[in-house]
Amino acid sequence: AQSVTQLGSHVSVSEGALVLLRCNYSSSVPPYLFWYVQYPNQGLQLLLKYTTGATLVKGINGFEAEFKKSETSFHLTKPSAHMSDAAEHFCAVSERGYSTLTFGKGTMLLVSP
Amino acid sequence: DSGVTQTPKHLITATGQRVTLRCSPRSGDLSVYWYQQSLDQGLQFLIQYYNGEERAKGNILERFSAQQFPDLHSELNLSSLELGDSALYFCASSVQTSGSIDTQYFGPGTRLTVL
Repeated sequence: AQSVTQLGSHVSVSEGALVLLRCNYSSSVPPYLFWYVQYPNQGLQLLLKYTTGATLVKGINGFEAEFKKSETSFHLTKPSAHMSDAAEHFCAVSERGYSTLTFGKGTMLLVSP
Repeated sequence: DSGVTQTPKHLITATGQRVTLRCSPRSGDLSVYWYQQSLDQGLQFLIQYYNGEERAKGNILERFSAQQFPDLHSELNLSSLELGDSALYFCASSVQTSGSIDTQYFGPGTRLTVL
């Protein structure tokens, strides 16, 4: 069975600082990988996804993530945090050939001025 | 706005009762997924329908059931409700059943409170 581990339930950064949210997965075969963001009282919105090809994936709002097979990781980064980035971020995986998602516990990104 | 609509937005009910949550997928999407988000369990996949047929089942309790109608809207039925069923229930939709490269678009959710 697949599982997703997000290190840190909360990450605090200052505005303009680097954002790094960690995600590791457990799967016998490299899965498809996703990052979703959830703003307060809203549904989830896709930030980016990795399926095949280039391991560095660029998403919306300046976020990017790199798939590292040897480390079974898919960490999310952004060079410069903005106040509007404050939200819950979820890493998710789906097994190749299947469309259902397995989510991590989520990391709340807090951005201070 | 993802294009996925869910009603009602909030639902407050008592233990032992039965409720129905409704979801309308994005225009053109044939797959509907239901997820439950709670503080202790996090976000969990419940069930998926594709064009009216059940396609995948996750951690869905026997007290819960779902269906997808010919117009592609879906309903999640929760019965014999317990306090622990209090959660945010999300519906998501995507274009087709297979190929996890399809993006799932999430609705705003229905917050269920069981008293």
